[in-house]
Amino acid sequence: DVKVTQSSRYLVKRTGEKVFLECVQDMDHENMFWYRQDPGLGLRLIYFSYDVKMKEKGDIPEGYSVSREKKERFSLILESASTNQTSMYLCASSSWGDGYNEQFFGPGTRLTVL
Amino acid sequence: AQSVAQPEDQVNVAEGNPLTVKCTYSVSGNPYLFWYVQYPNRGLQFLLKYITGDNLVKGSYGFEAEFNKSQTSFHLKKPSALVSDSALYFCAVRDGGDGGFKTIFGAGTRLFVKA
Repeated sequence: DVKVTQSSRYLVKRTGEKVFLECVQDMDHENMFWYRQDPGLGLRLIYFSYDVKMKEKGDIPEGYSVSREKKERFSLILESASTNQTSMYLCASSSWGDGYNEQFFGPGTRLTVL
Repeated sequence: AQSVAQPEDQVNVAEGNPLTVKCTYSVSGNPYLFWYVQYPNRGLQFLLKYITGDNLVKGSYGFEAEFNKSQTSFHLKKPSALVSDSALYFCAVRDGGDGGFKTIFGAGTRLFVKA
């Protein structure tokens, strides 16, 4: 089975802290994604990566950055956490296939910024 | 620009009755359509997808969906609901003609199946 793991299920941070969310997939997928999930808004894409060291902005990249130094690992960084970044963060991966391959999701990290 | 709409925040159905969760979409090219389910305290799981071919696609857990090009819809259906189907369902669309990677997700529909 494809497995996508995220470093923490729950995280509490203070305003202004730098926050690292880690995601690892074990299926040698080329594509990796970071979303945030908020009630009534569905999933919104923050960043995605289609190869090592490659990244593309999604719909809401402001206040976030990403790193992909190895194929299996995709990190989301909150440079200076703010209360409006309190959310559920979901990582996903998919194999190369011109967009018709489904995504596999991790369990999510619920981040609270105080 | 691509978009997807799930017009119902919540759907209630009795166990054993058929269920439908609605989804409509808008893309400029050919649509790639997906349904995902999120059970409590878990990540999203893939249910089924339409890429091309037969308009009726079958997926996991007895779910199916019908692609209707004229109505730009991709409604999720199941002939007989189970209490264990209670979850949050997301429809998603990718524009097959834009050459990009972005998949747009709907806001989600919460399904309650009552025993």
